[in-house]
Amino acid sequence: GAGVSQSPSNKVTEKGKDVELRCDPISGHTALYWYRQSLGQGLEFLIYFQGNSAPDKSGLPSDRFSAERTGGSVSTLTIQRTQQEDSAVYLCASSTDRNSYEQYFGPGTRLTVT
Amino acid sequence: GDSVTQMEGPVTLSEEAFLTINCTYTATGYPSLFWYVQYPGEGLQLLLKATKADDKGSNKGFEATYRKETTSFHLEKGSVQVSDSAVYFCALSPRSGGGSEKLVFGKGTKLTVNP
Repeated sequence: GAGVSQSPSNKVTEKGKDVELRCDPISGHTALYWYRQSLGQGLEFLIYFQGNSAPDKSGLPSDRFSAERTGGSVSTLTIQRTQQEDSAVYLCASSTDRNSYEQYFGPGTRLTVT
Repeated sequence: GDSVTQMEGPVTLSEEAFLTINCTYTATGYPSLFWYVQYPGEGLQLLLKATKADDKGSNKGFEATYRKETTSFHLEKGSVQVSDSAVYFCALSPRSGGGSEKLVFGKGTKLTVNP
């Protein structure tokens, strides 16, 4: 079946612009995660959605970052007023429920801020 | 807070060599432990897991044992292949049942296996 998909695969933007990154989780997966993979920081958790519960936003690095998940499926990560330090690969993952051991990762969106 | 430390890479081995990638963790409670692998051009995939002390996770010839006394989860393989070339990430989930909460990752170890 289809895995986690993300779009775009690559995004180049100018400093100060807003960007939106999209994640389509595996159908039926109730948990959805965003991570950021950067050279200096490795893989960092950003935000977690589980069903209709309030999201865990504890990993968002600043108030320029926000995410939403509509209808319990597709999620959008928005970065406002992008900075060069936002350049990274943004990874989305999903899992079946809060008791699942395995998170399934998408291919990522490579964001470059010039 | 919770953290994972794994050996710095890159690691370069010849085919059929023995592999060890060290991983230690700091966590409150009883986390579940994982190794994820990222092959060139592909997304992260779960390689193996262990959810309680003394559990051994294994897959594709790789093994790792959850050692609570040394807070370690070292990855081993007896005979590596060129196809094992990838970046390996050690990770923990703070909930002892491996419940779907955030994963805390180590920085990754790049392995290159030469023929």
